[in-house]
Amino acid sequence: AQSVAQPEDQVNVAEGNPLTVKCTYSVSGNPYLFWYVQYPNRGLQFLLKYITGDNLVKGSYGFEAEFNKSQTSFHLKKPSALVSDSALYFCAVRDGKGAGTALIFGKGTTLSVSS
Amino acid sequence: GAVVSQHPSRVICKSGTSVKIECRSLDFQATTMFWYRQFPKKSLMLMATSNEGSKATYEQGVEKDKFLINHASLTLSTLTVTSAHPEDSSFYICSARDLQGVSNQPQHFGDGTRLSIL
Repeated sequence: AQSVAQPEDQVNVAEGNPLTVKCTYSVSGNPYLFWYVQYPNRGLQFLLKYITGDNLVKGSYGFEAEFNKSQTSFHLKKPSALVSDSALYFCAVRDGKGAGTALIFGKGTTLSVSS
Repeated sequence: GAVVSQHPSRVICKSGTSVKIECRSLDFQATTMFWYRQFPKKSLMLMATSNEGSKATYEQGVEKDKFLINHASLTLSTLTVTSAHPEDSSFYICSARDLQGVSNQPQHFGDGTRLSIL
């Protein structure tokens, strides 16, 4: 069975500082990993994905994530946080073998960036 | 980019009413759409996978007679909450993946429907 863990309910960071939102996963096959962001009363916006290749993936709005197979992690990072980055972030995984399968989400991490 | 439109964005109705939520892929075709339910400050719970032209696949614990899903075309899936009760109040989000994509394509999400049953 696939699963995703986001160990932090909330991450607080000052504007301009680097941020990290943690994610670990469990999947039987090759993992397809995703990060999404959700603003209040809205759907999810795609940020980035890892399928194969370079372990460091760059995405929208200056975010990046590093795939670490040995630690089964896919942490989201940004070198310099903005107040507008404050939102709910979800890590998600899908087994690479399942073309028709849905994403399985972590419980989400609220990012709060203070000015 | 790919856009998924979900309608309505908010519904408030009386207990016992049936409510239909529409999910459309606007600029791509989707053989598969997904319906999620999100509780306050909680993750998204997959309810069902909707396949065009066939019956939906429901996750364990989701009542298929309560949450009727129809995926009649490659661009439209509907979720009907039948005889809704206050405990059905939640945020429902649909998602779709481009038909032309393989499994590494991201799922695109609608903006969600806030359902409030009085």
